Amino acid sequence: EPEVTQTPSHQVTQMGQEVILRCVPISNHLYFYWYRQILGQKVEFLVSFYNNEISEKSEIFDDQFSVERPDGSNFTLKIRSTKLEDSAMYFCASSDTPYGYTFGSGTRLTVV
Amino acid sequence: EDKVVQSPLSLVVHEGDTVTLNCSYEVTNFRSLLWYKQEKKAPTFLFMLTSSGIEKKSGRLSSILDKKELSSILNITATQTGDSAIYLCAVLPQGAQKLVFGQGTRLTINP
Repeated sequence: EPEVTQTPSHQVTQMGQEVILRCVPISNHLYFYWYRQILGQKVEFLVSFYNNEISEKSEIFDDQFSVERPDGSNFTLKIRSTKLEDSAMYFCASSDTPYGYTFGSGTRLTVV
Repeated sequence: EDKVVQSPLSLVVHEGDTVTLNCSYEVTNFRSLLWYKQEKKAPTFLFMLTSSGIEKKSGRLSSILDKKELSSILNITATQTGDSAIYLCAVLPQGAQKLVFGQGTRLTINP
């Protein structure tokens, strides 16, 4: 069964550093998403991406965050100047319709 | 603000029991409700329900939406230890692409 692949599975970074989380969506999917889950809390929407641009973003997704599809297969989330409160599990998802999500296995980001 | 509330937050039962998990929602324009199972990491899709009210079934799992009560239930019969997981409910509003998640129900099945 096709999968959404995320790398790395776990990243530890120092506060103030930039991180890039990587995702390889399912190949024929057109819609891409990032969600995050702070430990013990709800899964929260960050951003959706379609046709090479952001289609929707949450209040969480401020200027510190950016997304990119640098080539035909990768989808990245960049966090500039990480803060302690950015520590969370970050999930990438993709779909071939606006609502048929497949989630990746996540990247656990720990900011120290 | 769109909101999804799940109950109970935690449930411990014995293998073979039947469980019912609840999800209620408040959303401005409802499109669909989705159930996911989260074991170690990624939420895996179980069901998508719409206002049609049709029950969805997959093996021992079933789910139905009550559009009048703005809620959904997920039933698991003859539970097995492999059903132990966090079950997430999420709502997709009309015209939006983002899922609004509940806090999840942690289900533990003891042998």
